[in-house]
Amino acid sequence: LAKTTQPISMDSYEGQEVNITCSHNNIATNDYITWYQQFPSQGPRFIIQGYKTKVTNEVASLFIPADRKSSTLSLPRVSLSDTAVYYCLVGNPGNTPLVFGKGTRLSVIA
Amino acid sequence: DGGITQSPKYLFRKEGQNVTLSCEQNLNHDAMYWYRQDPGQGLRLIYYSQIVNDFQKGDIAEGYSVSREKKESFPLTVTSAQKNPTAFYLCASMGRGLNEKLFFGSGTQLSVL
Repeated sequence: LAKTTQPISMDSYEGQEVNITCSHNNIATNDYITWYQQFPSQGPRFIIQGYKTKVTNEVASLFIPADRKSSTLSLPRVSLSDTAVYYCLVGNPGNTPLVFGKGTRLSVIA
Repeated sequence: DGGITQSPKYLFRKEGQNVTLSCEQNLNHDAMYWYRQDPGQGLRLIYYSQIVNDFQKGDIAEGYSVSREKKESFPLTVTSAQKNPTAFYLCASMGRGLNEKLFFGSGTQLSVL
C-alpha cells in the first residue's frame, strides 16, 4: 500500500495560490493519485485525480512529476471558504483497501 | 438523487451496549468502506467490502463488525468490545473502474453516555 506524507498544516492569505505537496515514494504502477477536501463534521469530497503529468479542473490543478513519487495540489486564489483539511490518497480503485494519510490542515486568513 | 446515506446523524451508546450504524447507497457501487475519525485526526479504515457477501478488515477492525448482504447496504456494528467508541464514523462507496473516486456519506457522530 502506498503510504503518503503531507505537511500537517499550512497558512495562506486570501487571493494567494496554495500548493500542497504529497510524497508517495512507493506508488505502484496502477495507482492513481486523488485529492479530497474535508470540512468539519462532513465527509471528504473529491477535488481532483490524476495518473501522470498535469490535470486541471474548475477548482484545482494537480502536478505529477515523471517518477510519480510525489504530487502537488494547486489551489488558485484561495478564499476563506477553502479553509479545510486536504487529503492525498494513492491507490488503485480496483485493488482496495484505500488508506488515508493524516492530511494537511489549510487555514486561509483574510 | 444518487448518493450515500448514513443514519443516524448522532448516536449515543450506553456501557456494554452494541449499536449499529446504517450506510445505504444507490450509486450501484460494488465497493464500500467504513472509516473512523477522531477529533483533529485523519481517517482510519475499519472495514471494507469489494463485493456482496465479502468484506475485509482494515487497520482498526477490533471491536467492530460488518455485514454485506445487499449491494446497497453496509451496516457497521460497534460492539461492547470497543472500549473507546466515541468518534465520527464515515461510510464511503466507489465503483470498480480504473479512475473511480470515493463518495462519502455525511457521517455519524457516536458518543458514549
